[in-house]
Amino acid sequence: QVQLVQSGAEVKKPGASVKVSCKVSGYTLTELSMHWVRQAPGKGLEWMGGFDPEDGETIYAQKFQGRVTMTEDTSTDTAYMELSSLRSEDTAVYYCATYRGAIYGRFDPWGQGTLVTVSS
Amino acid sequence: DIQMTQSPSSLSASVGDRVTITCRASQSIRSDLNWYQQKPGKAPKLLIYGASILLSGVPSRFSGSGSGTDFTLTISSLQPEDFATYYCQQSYSSPCTFGQGTKVEIK
Repeated sequence: QVQLVQSGAEVKKPGASVKVSCKVSGYTLTELSMHWVRQAPGKGLEWMGGFDPEDGETIYAQKFQGRVTMTEDTSTDTAYMELSSLRSEDTAVYYCATYRGAIYGRFDPWGQGTLVTVSS
Repeated sequence: DIQMTQSPSSLSASVGDRVTITCRASQSIRSDLNWYQQKPGKAPKLLIYGASILLSGVPSRFSGSGSGTDFTLTISSLQPEDFATYYCQQSYSSPCTFGQGTKVEIK
């Protein structure tokens, strides 16, 4: 079964960038559709983007267009999410999650989450 | 974007109670509706997909129903390990969107 292990917590200053990793085991990354979801402290879940296997492209939520880049290293089965021009509102737990199901798409499983704190 | 509205935002219940959480979509999403459970400090876990299909290994006290715009998650007999926050999510169209969550607390 798929297991996702994310990199550790990060503290960044406003304006900086952060790159979070998500290591896959149990499957190869090429077999999966990896997505990223974030959760601000005490708030709900917000989809950021992910790989669309139908188009073969990565799609991003409009809110993050131009600031987020999602990449994959298939040699190490590791997915990355880089968010730039960080501001305090980007303080959140960032999750990678596998999107599965040609019918009834769903996120399963999820990584353990990576806390990114943006503070001066 | 499709808006997902859950109700209530929170509820207090006792062990053994029957609990129902509703989720309403701003337009029809057929049965493309998933339910997740999240405990404090943990990642969400998928419980139900396709509105009513129970993920393997999820206790049968959990059930989902609905189609179109109105959906429910029911816990038939609340157990201590069920105290958590529950989220609905639509996968009908991009961007996928989540409800704001329903926190189930101990009475």
